[in-house]
Amino acid sequence: GAGVSQSPSNKVTEKGKDVELRCDPISGHTALYWYRQSLGQGLEFLIYFQGNSAPDKSGLPSDRFSAERTGESVSTLTIQRTQQEDSAVYLCASSPQRNNEQFFGPGTRLTVL
Amino acid sequence: ILNVEQSPQSLHVQEGDSTNFTCSFPSSNFYALHWYRWETAKSPEALFVMTLNGDEKKKGRISATLNTKEGYSYLYIKGSQPEDSATYLCASPGGADGLTFGKGTHLIIQP
Repeated sequence: GAGVSQSPSNKVTEKGKDVELRCDPISGHTALYWYRQSLGQGLEFLIYFQGNSAPDKSGLPSDRFSAERTGESVSTLTIQRTQQEDSAVYLCASSPQRNNEQFFGPGTRLTVL
Repeated sequence: ILNVEQSPQSLHVQEGDSTNFTCSFPSSNFYALHWYRWETAKSPEALFVMTLNGDEKKKGRISATLNTKEGYSYLYIKGSQPEDSATYLCASPGGADGLTFGKGTHLIIQP
């Protein structure tokens, strides 16, 4: 069956521009997570969605970051006024329920020039 | 902030040898411990989710143990093969609902 998909796979943008990253979770998975891996760092949790509940935004690094999820389907992560330190691989994962194993997408590699 | 530590950071192992590495985590307010394998150019892939003290799980040549009282988990690989080369990540749910990951153990199997 289809796994988690993300688009674009690569994004190069200029400092100050806004970017939008998309995640399509596995159908039926109620939990959706965004992480990022900056160069030389571990995976860093950003935000979590569970069903129709308000998302846990505690991991977002600044107010330039926001995310939305439509019901239990697609999610978008938006970064406004990108900075060079935003360059990272952004990974999305979904799971059937909170705290089950997570299924990761292939990631979006973001480069901010 | 949950602190998940892994050691060693990297490991070179001869093909056919067995190996193991460690994940340590706070033993208080423990909920679950996840292990993932992340191969280059691929997505992280779940290996195990462990919740009970004394849990031991196995998948082929890979197994893991869990000690929640002292806050550590071991991952074992028996008879290493080149396809085992990857970064192995452990993670635990932190105060937020996402996983807090360790920095991983980068395993290289030498033919």
